[in-house]
Amino acid sequence: EIVMTQSPATLSVSPGERATLSCRASQSVSSNLAWYQQKPGQAPRLLIYSASTRATGIPARFSGSGSGTEFTLTISSLQSEDFAVYYCQQYNNWPPAFGQGTKVEIK
Amino acid sequence: EVLLVESGGGLVQPGGSLRLSCAASGFTFSRDAMHWVRQAPGKGLEYVSGISSNGGSTYYANSVKGRFTISRDNTKNMLYLQMGSLRAEDMAVYYCARDSSPITIFAPYYMDVWGKGTTVTVSS
Repeated sequence: EIVMTQSPATLSVSPGERATLSCRASQSVSSNLAWYQQKPGQAPRLLIYSASTRATGIPARFSGSGSGTEFTLTISSLQSEDFAVYYCQQYNNWPPAFGQGTKVEIK
Repeated sequence: EVLLVESGGGLVQPGGSLRLSCAASGFTFSRDAMHWVRQAPGKGLEYVSGISSNGGSTYYANSVKGRFTISRDNTKNMLYLQMGSLRAEDMAVYYCARDSSPITIFAPYYMDVWGKGTTVTVSS
């Protein structure tokens, strides 16, 4: 099974600053990588799929990059509503595996 | 509006059984594969099980294989998860989620619509 590893576990960022989150796969997943945002008490929300394509309604400040085993989610200028936990998920192989999450908190 | 609403969670004793349901609306349910994903208290997301659009193919995580059964009723727009031999480690919020794949071949994909979840508590 593919293992997804996210770093850092927690990222402290000031509003308006840039946030860069990393996700690494234990073997190549090509570009079959999605990112989700989850706020406390809510379901996950799809942000990015195919490593770099924003889902419907997702603001342009969210961008994804990478392929193979190394991926990045960048939030260009953090807004108050962006403080949340972010998960990556590979869907190249069964089972579709999630990373352990990165919590983006207010600095 | 595309909507998924889970139900059926509750308190169950270790070794017990529970059936979760997910009611789908706002889209053509019979065209989409569906999945269950869970989240233990304070933990991350864990994939549980998936089922193809016609119900003919299923997948289970190793952690639930042989104990859980996923099924669907396309005439009622309903997804189910029958859970048996429940353990403390099965305690979680269970989400149903829609597979976003545009093709009918059952393969891992990302999930574009999620329900709010239903909570399963396993305790004596």
